[in-house]
Amino acid sequence: GQQVMQIPQYQHVQEGEDFTTYCNSSTTLSNIQWYKQRPGGHPVFLIQLVKSGEVKKQKRLTFQFGEAKKNSSLHITATQTTDVGTYFCAGFRAGNNRKLIWGLGTSLAVNP
Amino acid sequence: ETGVTQTPRHLVMGMTNKKSLKCEQHLGHNAMYWYKQSAKKPLELMFVYNFKEQTENNSVPSRFSPECPNSSHLFLHLHTLQPEDSALYLCASSRQGAGVTNTGELFFGEGSRLTVL
Repeated sequence: GQQVMQIPQYQHVQEGEDFTTYCNSSTTLSNIQWYKQRPGGHPVFLIQLVKSGEVKKQKRLTFQFGEAKKNSSLHITATQTTDVGTYFCAGFRAGNNRKLIWGLGTSLAVNP
Repeated sequence: ETGVTQTPRHLVMGMTNKKSLKCEQHLGHNAMYWYKQSAKKPLELMFVYNFKEQTENNSVPSRFSPECPNSSHLFLHLHTLQPEDSALYLCASSRQGAGVTNTGELFFGEGSRLTVL
């Protein structure tokens, strides 16, 4: 069935190092959303990408949507302890905007 | 404060109990959702309400019964649950109706952590 795979599942970095999580879909997506969930918290929306090849930046975070609209990435430059949490991607299958398909998330730990 | 309030935050219940989870959104949104979050599984969509009408029931067992009296309130009634139903239950809302167009950004509540003994 429809799947969105995220890798890696876990990542430990030293504060100041960069971090990237990848999201891959088995089918074309109409758009993709990214959420962050802090430990003990709830998912919080970060961004939505719609266009093929789109790149968006939020301070140290860079989001990309692949040309084929099947994959996406989130890159964090110079991680900080406040970046700790689980990052989820979620996309709508092209032609079906009724249901978000969620990845399993990438849990990021940052050592100070 | 996300604009979506869930109560209770924690709930422990036996398998024969009946309890309810409550969600209220103060954002003027049209669509509301129940999600289940379990360890090592993707977020599972349970129910969607669009302008108070249920538009999605994702093959959820009948021991979970949703209720949406108006577009600001959503309940999840729980009855005869199983231990494997223990999870974080998240309510969410979105501005656009979850139908023809992209729902856009989801606003989640803080969740109700349910433990079934």
